[in-house]
Amino acid sequence: GEKVEQHESTLSVREGDSAVINCTYTDTASSYFPWYKQEAGKSLHFVIDIRSNVDRKQSQRLTVLLDKKAKRFSLHITATQPEDSAIYFCAASLNSAGNKLTFGIGTRVLVRP
Amino acid sequence: DMKVTQMPRYLIKRMGENVLLECGQDMSHETMYWYRQDPGLGLQLIYISYDVDSNSEGDIPKGYRVSRKKREHFSLILDSAKTNQTSVYFCASSFSNSQNTLYFGAGTRLSVL
Repeated sequence: GEKVEQHESTLSVREGDSAVINCTYTDTASSYFPWYKQEAGKSLHFVIDIRSNVDRKQSQRLTVLLDKKAKRFSLHITATQPEDSAIYFCAASLNSAGNKLTFGIGTRVLVRP
Repeated sequence: DMKVTQMPRYLIKRMGENVLLECGQDMSHETMYWYRQDPGLGLQLIYISYDVDSNSEGDIPKGYRVSRKKREHFSLILDSAKTNQTSVYFCASSFSNSQNTLYFGAGTRLSVL
């Protein structure tokens, strides 16, 4: 089955700098790649996604890049703020319905003042 | 108000006892999920339910069973709990269409002693 590897387990950045989290996947048939955020002691919530028909998607300070050839996708957070501190999970699924998401193990992002 | 509600939030059980985790959603989502979250392992899918009485094993179904008799309600049952089932359990729900954002509950922290 699909395997998603999240390369950074922790990331510490200074407030205002950028943060980049990288993920790779194994199944070339994967076509949907969402990101979820989990703040300390809380549940997960959706932040942004990208589908395989595009290679870039931006939403405010978040940008997702997809390189299908390398089976790699990444989340870029610009102008980081304290509220960006959280665990970020990348995920991949085999079809657009996204019913069976495979998650990475998560990257803890700490934004230092 | 879009919400996934999990009960209980915290639970302590002894090895061999039965455990019932309950999840409800008010969004008329067809698809519901049970995940467990463990340090270093991320989120692992236990079971997925596509609608009432239409359940499918996820990646780690052993030791668990589920019940979905109403669209808005999905239960996870541990018959004779084991210590290695100590974990945080998340329920989630989504529409079965191309959007497929997962909405997560707050989680249940289960300790099996």
